Amino acid sequence: EIVMTQTPLSSPVTLGQPASISCTSSQSLVHSDGNTYLSWLQQRPGQPPRLLIYKISNRFSGVPDRFSGSGAGTDFTLKISRVEAEDVGVYYCMQATQFPWTFGQGTKVEIK
Amino acid sequence: QLQLQESGPGLVKPSETLSLTCSVSGGSISSSSYYWGWIRQPPGRGLEWIGSIFYGGSTFYNPSLKSRVTISVDTSKNQFSLKLSSVTAADTAVYYCVRGDYVTRGFDPWGQGTLVTVSS
Repeated sequence: EIVMTQTPLSSPVTLGQPASISCTSSQSLVHSDGNTYLSWLQQRPGQPPRLLIYKISNRFSGVPDRFSGSGAGTDFTLKISRVEAEDVGVYYCMQATQFPWTFGQGTKVEIK
Repeated sequence: QLQLQESGPGLVKPSETLSLTCSVSGGSISSSSYYWGWIRQPPGRGLEWIGSIFYGGSTFYNPSLKSRVTISVDTSKNQFSLKLSSVTAADTAVYYCVRGDYVTRGFDPWGQGTLVTVSS
């Protein structure tokens, strides 16, 4: 099983300032088809998760461009360029390269 | 747009079988572009992929649950279901049904989730 490790687990951020979350996988997430199936999800309080980023850096439909993803192999990053109040919640990385698909522990983004 | 809605008992006794159904509206469950699955979240904790069912009916399950899990599709009702046998308190969680995309391998949309408590 691929283990996904996120840091930090908690990120207090000032409104309008950037935030960054790291995700490291225990094995390379490059699939035999050449794609890297690393996604980022956002879970606002009391809500189901929603897809933000897929295949490392592709923003899903309707996701603001202040969210961006980067990385390769085993190291990935989600960045929020300027945190807004609606960005409060828990962020998860997820790999769908190898079964079983697995999630990081989650990173809680809160406003200072 | 496509919507998913979980339904089923909110309370299950230990050693019994948890059964949930996900109703799909706004789209066909028979589309070859998508697959379907279940993810759970124990209270206050992170996400765990339970398993998925793919076009053609093949299934993959999390090995941590594999011997207890069955996911199936009912195309006539545009629904899919989850059965988890021999439940214990550790299976208490919010259960989400999800649609997966073959291109993105991301899950969207998600159902609102249903809390299932295992208790006598």
